[in-house]
Amino acid sequence: DVKVTQSSRYLVKRTGEKVFLECVQDMDHENMFWYRQDPGLGLRLIYFSYDVKMKEKGDIPEGYSVSREKKERFSLILESASTNQTSMYLCASSLRQGARTEAFFGQGTRLTVV
Amino acid sequence: LAKTTQPISMDSYEGQEVNITCSHNNIATNDYITWYQQFPSQGPRFIIQGYKTKVTNEVASLFIPADRKSSTLSLPRVSLSDTAVYYCLVGSSGSARQLTFGSGTQLTVLP
Repeated sequence: DVKVTQSSRYLVKRTGEKVFLECVQDMDHENMFWYRQDPGLGLRLIYFSYDVKMKEKGDIPEGYSVSREKKERFSLILESASTNQTSMYLCASSLRQGARTEAFFGQGTRLTVV
Repeated sequence: LAKTTQPISMDSYEGQEVNITCSHNNIATNDYITWYQQFPSQGPRFIIQGYKTKVTNEVASLFIPADRKSSTLSLPRVSLSDTAVYYCLVGSSGSARQLTFGSGTQLTVLP
């Protein structure tokens, strides 16, 4: 089975802290994604990566950056956490690009910024 | 990128068949229709994908009319454990930006 593992299920951070959310997949997938999910807004794409060291902005990249130094690992970075970044963060991976390919999701990280 | 429209919520009772319809009026020739299911506090998971007519697997059926401007996810004999959010996605191979989720349909199965 494909496994996408996010480093934390729950995280509480203070405003202004630099926050790292880690995601690892074990299926040698090319593509990895970070989404945030808020009530009533569905899943919104923050960033995605289609290869090592390659990244593209999604729909809501402001306040975030990403790092993909190895194929299996994709990190989401909140440079200076703010309360409006309190959310559920979901990582996903897929073998190929586009909506035709199946995406596999991690369990999510619920981040609270206080 | 084809925009999709789904009902915000639906209620059903155990044992009933549930049909969730998704509208995608500007679907492109190369686009496929994919449905994901998300349980509370979990990430979404793929349940079914189709291009035209009917697709069936062990979880659900997907009905797509000839004009492909809508699709219907059919869940036979639902149970309480089918309570989840169901997302309809439309897109094709290409930019991963097309992996865009809308707000989904909250299905609540009642005893």
